Amino acid sequence: EPEVTQTPSHQVTQMGQEVILRCVPISNHLYFYWYRQILGQKVEFLVSFYNNEISEKSEIFDDQFSVERPDGSNFTLKIRSTKLEDSAMYFCASSVAGYTGELFFGEGSRLTVL
Amino acid sequence: DAKTTQPNSMESNEEEPVHLPCNHSTISGTDYIHWYRQLPSQGPEYVIHGLTSNVNNRMASLAIAEDRKSSTLILHRATLRDAAVYYCILRAGGGGTSYGKLTFGQGTILTVHP
Repeated sequence: EPEVTQTPSHQVTQMGQEVILRCVPISNHLYFYWYRQILGQKVEFLVSFYNNEISEKSEIFDDQFSVERPDGSNFTLKIRSTKLEDSAMYFCASSVAGYTGELFFGEGSRLTVL
Repeated sequence: DAKTTQPNSMESNEEEPVHLPCNHSTISGTDYIHWYRQLPSQGPEYVIHGLTSNVNNRMASLAIAEDRKSSTLILHRATLRDAAVYYCILRAGGGGTSYGKLTFGQGTILTVHP
């Protein structure tokens, strides 16, 4: 069964460092998303991406965050200068349809900022 | 985003049916009712979705009230693997630029006893 894969599974970084989280969405999917979940809290939407541009972003997704699809298969989330409060599980998701289809989530990348 | 209300927690015994309720009194005509679940230490997983009619799939059934202001996710025979947080989410059905993002609430923690 096709699945969304994310790397790394866990990354530890120092505050102020840049981090890139990578995702390989399901191959025929057109809509891509990043969500995050701080430990013990709810899953929060960060950004959606379609047709090589951001279609929607939340208040959390400030100038420190960026996304791109550099090679047509990978979908990356970059955090330019990490803060302690960026420590969370980051989930990538993809879907074939923008409105009615199901989202397929990856297993997540745990980011720990020290 | 239209809001949903779910019980914080529910308990069930293995091999018994489970009915997980969700209220969404402010649902709009184009909102789809989605259910996702999150097993411990995993990403959210799609369960089922519907618009107006009841829906069945291999995982569960979704019963939607005639006025669409509430719905019930039915697990026909709970297993230990069904222990998870279950999220009832309204997803915009089209138009605008939301591209159908999911807004997660706190969900219902389902405990399944052997």
